[in-house]
Amino acid sequence: DPKIIQKPKYLVAVTGSEKILICEQYLGHNAMYWYRQSAKKPLEFMFSYSYQKLMDNQTASSRFQPQSSKKNHLDLQITALKPDDSATYFCASSPHPGANSDYTFGSGTRLLVI
Amino acid sequence: TQTVSQSDAHVTVFEGDSVELRCNYSYGGSIYLSWYIQHHGHGLQFLLKYYSGNPVVQGVNGFEAEFSKSDSSFHLRKASVHWSDSAVYFCAVRVNYAQGLTFGLGTRVSVFP
Repeated sequence: DPKIIQKPKYLVAVTGSEKILICEQYLGHNAMYWYRQSAKKPLEFMFSYSYQKLMDNQTASSRFQPQSSKKNHLDLQITALKPDDSATYFCASSPHPGANSDYTFGSGTRLLVI
Repeated sequence: TQTVSQSDAHVTVFEGDSVELRCNYSYGGSIYLSWYIQHHGHGLQFLLKYYSGNPVVQGVNGFEAEFSKSDSSFHLRKASVHWSDSAVYFCAVRVNYAQGLTFGLGTRVSVFP
C-alpha cells in the first residue's frame, strides 16, 4: 500500500486556471515537503512544513500556496497557471524536520499546462 | 549555498558489472548526504545516507557509498548490478533542518543483460 498518496497522478490544465495537488501521508511523520521536477533541471525544493507550520519557502512565486488542513495532509494550490509550471510535483515526508531525517517520496503528480 | 554535482549523466553497464556513481558537493559545514533511486514513472526511493561516523555506509540492495571530506564526495557503488538497477540515481545534500534537500541532476544507469 502506498504510504504517501498523491492525487491526481496526471493533470492537464489551461493557462490561467487554478489547480490543487493533493498529498496525504500515512507514515505518522511530522514534516512534509513539496518538490518540483522539471525537464533538464534538478529536483527543486519548494516548501517544508513541520507540525502543520511553514518552515521554509523556496518558491519565489506567491502563486504556489501549500495548505495543511490536517497533520498528515499538505496540498499544493497553484493559481494563474503558466506553461512553465508544467512539471512533476512530488510530495515527501520525514519523521521530523531534522537534517538527518530520512525522506519518503510520493509517486508524483505530473502537471501539464497548455 | 550548497551545490551538488553528479558528473555522469548516463552510465551503461552489463549485468554483473560493478558501478560507481560520482557525487561531489560544495559546502563547508556539517552536512547530511543521501542517495535516492527513481525508477521510470515512480517517485524517489531512499537508498542510504551519511551524517556522521563510519564514512562507508551500506544501503538497500547491495548499494554502499563512501563519504570523503577531503574530496567533498559521496560516491555510490555496487559490486554487481542487476537489470532491475536500471534507474536514475540522485545524490542529495541537506545542511539545515529548516531547508529541503538539494539534489544533483541525476545519473541514469542502464543495465544490459
